[in-house]
Amino acid sequence: DAGVIQSPRHEVTEMGQEVTLRCKPISGHNSLFWYRQTMMRGLELLIYFNNNVPIDDSGMPEDRFSAKMPNASFSTLKIQPSEPRDSAVYFCASSRPPKNIQYFGAGTRLSVL
Amino acid sequence: GESVGLHLPTLSVQEGDNSIINCAYSNSASDYFIWYKQESGKGPQFIIDIRSNMDKRQGQRVTVLLNKTVKHLSLQIAATQPGDSAVYFCAENIEGSNYQLIWGAGTKLIIKP
Repeated sequence: DAGVIQSPRHEVTEMGQEVTLRCKPISGHNSLFWYRQTMMRGLELLIYFNNNVPIDDSGMPEDRFSAKMPNASFSTLKIQPSEPRDSAVYFCASSRPPKNIQYFGAGTRLSVL
Repeated sequence: GESVGLHLPTLSVQEGDNSIINCAYSNSASDYFIWYKQESGKGPQFIIDIRSNMDKRQGQRVTVLLNKTVKHLSLQIAATQPGDSAVYFCAENIEGSNYQLIWGAGTKLIIKP
């Protein structure tokens, strides 16, 4: 089975530009998580979807960040406008009952110049 | 001033020796625990899990021990190999928390040849 697929793997952009990160969860998984990882803060949960519905977005840093899950096989995380402090590795993970083990994608390394 | 990143505890082990990575968890209501391994440039990868009604669980070359009295979790890796070099995270799930995980800061394991 294919794991969680994220794209792009690397993104370099300039401050002020819009950035869209994409995630395809594992087929059959009904929960999807977006994380951000930095040296300063470690692994932070940004938002969590269950059955395509956002359940908890309290980790989204500010209004510049938005996430959608239009169907069970696709999610996006958008940053508009991007800022240098958004530079990080962004991970998507998915899980399903009963154990709800989260399986992670390879991540998108974002650099905002 | 210069930013200071997270200071990860580091464990250096000779190749072939056993290693023990420790984790103190925070919530007595946590009912499920997971160990993840994150290699450089990759997403966290599931290793082994344990429910709160168990004290010990064994996998291939790995054993997880749970001491609920002192809220302590450990991961034992037998006969370490160079491929075991990674950052190891413990994560806990609080009962009724909608599958969200609380992540530890991580421990960096270095295998010396």
